[in-house]
Amino acid sequence: AQSVAQPEDQVNVAEGNPLTVKCTYSVSGNPYLFWYVQYPNRGLQFLLKYITGDNLVKGSYGFEAEFNKSQTSFHLKKPSALVSDSALYFCAVSDYNTDKLIFGTGTRLQVFP
Amino acid sequence: NAGVTQTPKFQVLKTGQSMTLQCAQDMNHNSMYWYRQDPGMGLRLIYYSASEGTTDKGEVPNGYNVSRLNKREFSLRLESAAPSQTSVYFCASSDQTGFTRHFGDGTRLSIL
Repeated sequence: AQSVAQPEDQVNVAEGNPLTVKCTYSVSGNPYLFWYVQYPNRGLQFLLKYITGDNLVKGSYGFEAEFNKSQTSFHLKKPSALVSDSALYFCAVSDYNTDKLIFGTGTRLQVFP
Repeated sequence: NAGVTQTPKFQVLKTGQSMTLQCAQDMNHNSMYWYRQDPGMGLRLIYYSASEGTTDKGEVPNGYNVSRLNKREFSLRLESAAPSQTSVYFCASSDQTGFTRHFGDGTRLSIL
């Protein structure tokens, strides 16, 4: 069975500093990996995905994520955080059956001015 | 450019009442999903429909029923609401590959 873990409930970072939101996964076979962001009282919005190819994936709003097969990780990164990046971030994983996408419990990112 | 539309946005029910949550998408997507979001639990899949006329159980289907009325609409029904079903419910759709979900803004449901 597949699973995904986001070990940090909250990440705090100063504006302008780099940010990392961690995600590790377990899946049989090749993973399909996703990051979504949720702003208050809104649905989740797609940020980026890894299906195959380059381990470094670039997505919306300047975010990127690195697929590391040996460490079974897919950490979300941004070189310079903005206050407007403050939101709830979800990592998700599936195997070939993408209907059964499993979401992590979410990490709240707080960017301070 | 509506995307995924959910109605109602808020609802308060008494235990034992029934109600249907509505969802419609205008992106011509084949697959549609219902999730619930609870604090500390992330999103959990209730039911999904890979195509018009088909539905399948997800991780937490007990107490719910669904109907894929047509390609656009996918409704979620609570026949006899329980306090444990207090949650935020999200509908989503995805394209043929199923890779990217498009979410509605949710229905906040409280059951007293």
